[in-house]
Amino acid sequence: GAGVSQSPSNKVTEKGKDVELRCDPISGHTALYWYRQSLGQGLEFLIYFQGNSAPDKSGLPSDRFSAERTGGSVSTLTIQRTQQEDSAVYLCASSLTWTAGGTIYFGEGSWLTVV
Amino acid sequence: SQKIEQNSEALNIQEGKTATLTCNYTNYSPAYLQWYRQDPGRGPVFLLLIRENEKEKRKERLKVTFDTTLKQSLFHITASQPADSATYLCALESNTGNQFYFGTGTSLTVIP
Repeated sequence: GAGVSQSPSNKVTEKGKDVELRCDPISGHTALYWYRQSLGQGLEFLIYFQGNSAPDKSGLPSDRFSAERTGGSVSTLTIQRTQQEDSAVYLCASSLTWTAGGTIYFGEGSWLTVV
Repeated sequence: SQKIEQNSEALNIQEGKTATLTCNYTNYSPAYLQWYRQDPGRGPVFLLLIRENEKEKRKERLKVTFDTTLKQSLFHITASQPADSATYLCALESNTGNQFYFGTGTSLTVIP
């Protein structure tokens, strides 16, 4: 696609429910990143993928968070048993490769509100 | 762990002046430093990348400096315009790539 696409753009969910956030990276981009941005805060790194594998999952806040990527393309971030502190914007980004010095392109984010 | 600090206060400047934003870091030796612009409700957009062996980089009205001794980057917007109003984020990246550490950003308002 022309840019990184994320869905849903907005999601309001009840505490305790599971949510899935989807990211469709730029076509041909092998590296994919998930970040979280809380109101007035910087970007918090969650996880990145090289192809379909995620070498470093240490950024995931808890075991309620998981992510997968299939076919080297679409990625899904899943939050189980959502809590109010999970409310944030979840940003996905992709880059052509995972080598250093490249440019990463962000999507517009998925705004999650847990009530 | 690494720590990245940007101007803690919002920056307001008059149109036509030069805006200077700072990015200081500790406990890290980045090979690359990038600057991004983020508008409200949007994802960050890449502006400039500077390597550790580069002192200065320019692109149109933008200029970035990188001082690895001071562990600081300065981001300048010359002849600022109201359309430059946004939040600006710096990001550090190591040689191994794969992870970018972002600062909290500086909110810039250019007053007409």
